[in-house]
Amino acid sequence: AQSVAQPEDQVNVAEGNPLTVKCTYSVSGNPYLFWYVQYPNRGLQFLLKYITGDNLVKGSYGFEAEFNKSQTSFHLKKPSALVSDSALYFCAVRRPDNLFFGTGTRLTVIP
Amino acid sequence: NAGVTQTPKFQVLKTGQSMTLQCAQDMNHNSMYWYRQDPGMGLRLIYYSASEGTTDKGEVPNGYNVSRLNKREFSLRLESAAPSQTSVYFCASRTGTSEKDTQYFGPGTRLLVL
Repeated sequence: AQSVAQPEDQVNVAEGNPLTVKCTYSVSGNPYLFWYVQYPNRGLQFLLKYITGDNLVKGSYGFEAEFNKSQTSFHLKKPSALVSDSALYFCAVRRPDNLFFGTGTRLTVIP
Repeated sequence: NAGVTQTPKFQVLKTGQSMTLQCAQDMNHNSMYWYRQDPGMGLRLIYYSASEGTTDKGEVPNGYNVSRLNKREFSLRLESAAPSQTSVYFCASRTGTSEKDTQYFGPGTRLLVL
């Protein structure tokens, strides 16, 4: 069955530095991959998705993600981190009737 | 356009009490979902409704029931709450006509069962 894994529970980065939040996937067939962000005491907000086409997907708030088929990865990136990017990030993969979520990565951007 | 709304925002129950979590969406979406979020476990699907009039079990359905009241509303009921059901509950919806569709989430209901 389709699944994703987020190997890091916590990522710390200094403000202004580039950030990467990692996600690997396991699917049969074409993967439909998503990134969501959750700010404290809020619901999940959609950031971006990969369906097909260009391996670099651009999303909200300056985030982008790189789909790498050979490494079965879909890492979330941002060139310059902001303190306001501190949140919980979830990678997800489409299953026939729902989404399967990774366990989440807490990103802390240090001023 | 409010998107996905959930009530209540927060609830405390005693073991054995019952309650219903309400969810509504105004995006004319066909599919609706209930997830629970627990620390270190991501989101797990409880039940979903692919279209009005249908419901199906997800990954963790035990102890829950659902009702798809109409196209807009999808409620989750705990008949006899247990401490293991302490969690944050999220409702979501999507158009449901394509696997490429995005799911949109409500703000969540934080439930504490004592």
